Amino acid sequence: SQTIHQWPATLVQPVGSPLSLECTVEGTSNPNLYWYRQAAGRGLQLLFYSIGIDQISSEVPQNLSASRPQDRQFILSSKKLLLSDSGFYLCAWENRGGTEAFFGQGTRLTVV
Amino acid sequence: AQSVTQPDIHITVSEGASLELRCNYSYGATPYLFWYVQSPGQGLQLLLKYFSGDTLVQGIKGFEAEFKRSQSSFNLRKPSVHWSDAAEYFCAVGAGGYNKLIFGAGTRLAVHP
Repeated sequence: SQTIHQWPATLVQPVGSPLSLECTVEGTSNPNLYWYRQAAGRGLQLLFYSIGIDQISSEVPQNLSASRPQDRQFILSSKKLLLSDSGFYLCAWENRGGTEAFFGQGTRLTVV
Repeated sequence: AQSVTQPDIHITVSEGASLELRCNYSYGATPYLFWYVQSPGQGLQLLLKYFSGDTLVQGIKGFEAEFKRSQSSFNLRKPSVHWSDAAEYFCAVGAGGYNKLIFGAGTRLAVHP
């Protein structure tokens, strides 16, 4: 069966520090991958999606970037974190032609 | 532009009471519609989805939702709420290719014993 792993679960980072959040999917190949952010009291905002290795689309301009070095690995990064980057980050995957996205457990990022 | 509105930010119900969570959407074509539930500090779990066909959709945990095209609504219902249903509920609409979902702001449900 397919599973999605996201880590770390929680992270506290100082302003200006770098960020790397990792997401991996098992049990499937060539999935569509997504990064969402949930800010406090708000819904989920799509940040990035990827349809294949090294193919990244950004939905909103921001201080973050994403990479997909392997088929089932999706990384969210920042060179210098801002306070406004705090939030709950969710990775999701979907089979090609599928009709449902499956979410990881999320990472709670607090920038201090 | 596509959007999803969940008018109720917080809802409190008594255990055993019925529940209806509202969702309205704006979308230019026939939408794919979803309801997800998020327990504290957790990811999202799909409750149900609508793509086509019967407008009354049954989901997991005793939830159902009805698609009403004329009202651009997809309200979530449960006849009898359990304390374990306390969570945040998100309505979402499929925004096009690659299943890019647009989410509402969520409704936080509290259940009183």
